[in-house]
Amino acid sequence: GAVVSQHPSRVICKSGTSVKIECRSLDFQATTMFWYRQFPKQSLMLMATSNEGSKATYEQGVEKDKFLINHASLTLSTLTVTSAHPEDSSFYICSARDLRAGAAGGYEQYFGPGTRLTVT
Amino acid sequence: AQKITQTQPGMFVQEKEAVTLDCTYDTSDPSYGLFWYKQPSSGEMIFLIYQGSYDQQNATEGRYSLNFQKARKSANLVISASQLGDSAMYFCAMRNGGADGLTFGKGTHLIIQP
Repeated sequence: GAVVSQHPSRVICKSGTSVKIECRSLDFQATTMFWYRQFPKQSLMLMATSNEGSKATYEQGVEKDKFLINHASLTLSTLTVTSAHPEDSSFYICSARDLRAGAAGGYEQYFGPGTRLTVT
Repeated sequence: AQKITQTQPGMFVQEKEAVTLDCTYDTSDPSYGLFWYKQPSSGEMIFLIYQGSYDQQNATEGRYSLNFQKARKSANLVISASQLGDSAMYFCAMRNGGADGLTFGKGTHLIIQP
């Protein structure tokens, strides 16, 4: 089955520093990956769509200069939270779509285990 | 804009009973897809079931079935013979047309009691 990994699983950083989160598709190639944010006891909110070899597409209200996304290869997307502040503390989850036919006709998104970011 | 509504913040169900989790959606796009995901306390998102807007039959995956009522714009998840391990958050989500990013509902916290 399709597996997506994220690193790190947890990170604590000081206010004003930058943090990089990696999302990897382990056994399939993903031209498109997605980044979501989930605040405690809330739902997942799509932040941006990461496209291999081109610029990411950000959802309305998401600051592209603060959340830098790089999709340098078919198996790796990175999210960098720049100049992090306590309000950026959240659970960040990536997903990737496996275009091979599956239970969801190829539309299934496989999620990584998530990264819990705490900014002090 | 697309919207997913889950009206049940929490549910308590006796083990071995069937449970229905409600989901209604709103979209103007004729092509869409509906997903259900399970999120245990560990945080991982586990895919359960998918229904495409043009699928003629309701989707089923083991103990999970999706009661798709297109005219009412509802896509309820039915879990048969619930187990203690089913306790988790359940999210309904939708993809619209060519957009692959998912819109999620607020979720339902399901607790299975022995």
